[in-house]
Amino acid sequence: AQSVTQPDIHITVSEGASLELRCNYSYGATPYLFWYVQSPGQGLQLLLKYFSGDTLVQGIKGFEAEFKRSQSSFNLRKPSVHWSDAAEYFCAVGENFGNEKLTFGTGTRLTIIP
Amino acid sequence: DVKVTQSSRYLVKRTGEKVFLECVQDMDHENMFWYRQDPGLGLRLIYFSYDVKMKEKGDIPEGYSVSREKKERFSLILESASTNQTSMYLCASSGRSGANVLTFGAGSRLTVL
Repeated sequence: AQSVTQPDIHITVSEGASLELRCNYSYGATPYLFWYVQSPGQGLQLLLKYFSGDTLVQGIKGFEAEFKRSQSSFNLRKPSVHWSDAAEYFCAVGENFGNEKLTFGTGTRLTIIP
Repeated sequence: DVKVTQSSRYLVKRTGEKVFLECVQDMDHENMFWYRQDPGLGLRLIYFSYDVKMKEKGDIPEGYSVSREKKERFSLILESASTNQTSMYLCASSGRSGANVLTFGAGSRLTVL
């Protein structure tokens, strides 16, 4: 069965600083990988996804993620964070195309300081 | 704008009560999901459904059941609520060609006293 590890429970960065959130997955075949964001009191919103092809994927709100098969990682990055980026971020892996079921990591809470 | 609507944002119930959590999507999606979200545990899949009247167990189905009588509606049922079912419940849906992309509702926060 697939699994996802987000090793950082809580990260604090200054506004304007760069950000990298870590995600490692375990899955036997080619994974389908996702990052979702959850603002306080809200449901989850898709930031970006990787299915195949270019290993660097662009998402909404200026986020990007890079798939590294050799490291089983799919880290999320942003060059300059904004106060509105404060939220909880979840990495997820899909079993296979058409199955639609996702397994989520435990999440990373991002705090932005002025 | 496409939506997944969870009718109850906040509920408070007593131990032993039967609880219904309703979820409706307006996107004509085939797949619907119920997840439970707890601090430090992330999202865990309770049940999912690929079609009307079909259901499959997720990772933590114990103590829960589901109903999908219509394509747009997926209900989560707690037959006899317990305090360890106090949690945030998230409903999601996806289309058959949606390649695992889930659209989530805003969540239902359930407290069982």
